Amino acid sequence: GESVGLHLPTLSVQEGDNSIINCAYSNSASDYFIWYKQESGKGPQFIIDIRSNMDKRQGQRVTVLLNKTVKHLSLQIAATQPGDSAVYFCADKRYNFNKFYFGSGTKLNVKP
Amino acid sequence: GAGVSQSPSNKVTEKGKDVELRCDPISGHTALYWYRQSLGQGLEFLIYFQGNSAPDKSGLPSDRFSAERTGGSVSTLTIQRTQQEDSAVYLCASSYTGAGESAQYFGPGTRLTVL
Repeated sequence: GESVGLHLPTLSVQEGDNSIINCAYSNSASDYFIWYKQESGKGPQFIIDIRSNMDKRQGQRVTVLLNKTVKHLSLQIAATQPGDSAVYFCADKRYNFNKFYFGSGTKLNVKP
Repeated sequence: GAGVSQSPSNKVTEKGKDVELRCDPISGHTALYWYRQSLGQGLEFLIYFQGNSAPDKSGLPSDRFSAERTGGSVSTLTIQRTQQEDSAVYLCASSYTGAGESAQYFGPGTRLTVL
């Protein structure tokens, strides 16, 4: 079915290393993508977004890459810190639709 | 500035009772969304409001669920005759413009427990 999914449910990285969280989507009509971070007991927090006319977008310590050919989205976190430990969700919106579709999330554990 | 706020933060109710959940979006945001998140799961879209347009209710799971947005600002999600499967965290989000044009900002959620 049409859904946004994640390759790995849990990712453990060493503090200071770079993290890469992956996401696959199935609908070629998806035109807008967002990455969210959710800490325990809190609502999702916007990290970075990207539109389908872009391949890459950079923020502070984060980079989102979009590969439309294989319908793949990734979030790269540079120099991962303990404060980055959280669940990360990708979400996509299909062209001309109002709602966003969220994956089930990847839990990032940062080991000191 | 103030973010999205939701109340109550926690709600425990008995099966069959009605509940109302409130969302105050960020001032100036025209779009408002409700989502439901079950334990360890992603977010399930419920309903979307954009300005004065008719809301997109396509995500509401049953006719026991309804929502309104008064004056283009505060929104209330009502669940009638609650069931145990309604237990979840209900999240509200707002954005400056319509879907796909700007990111959504989420509130802390209301944790609903139906006994």
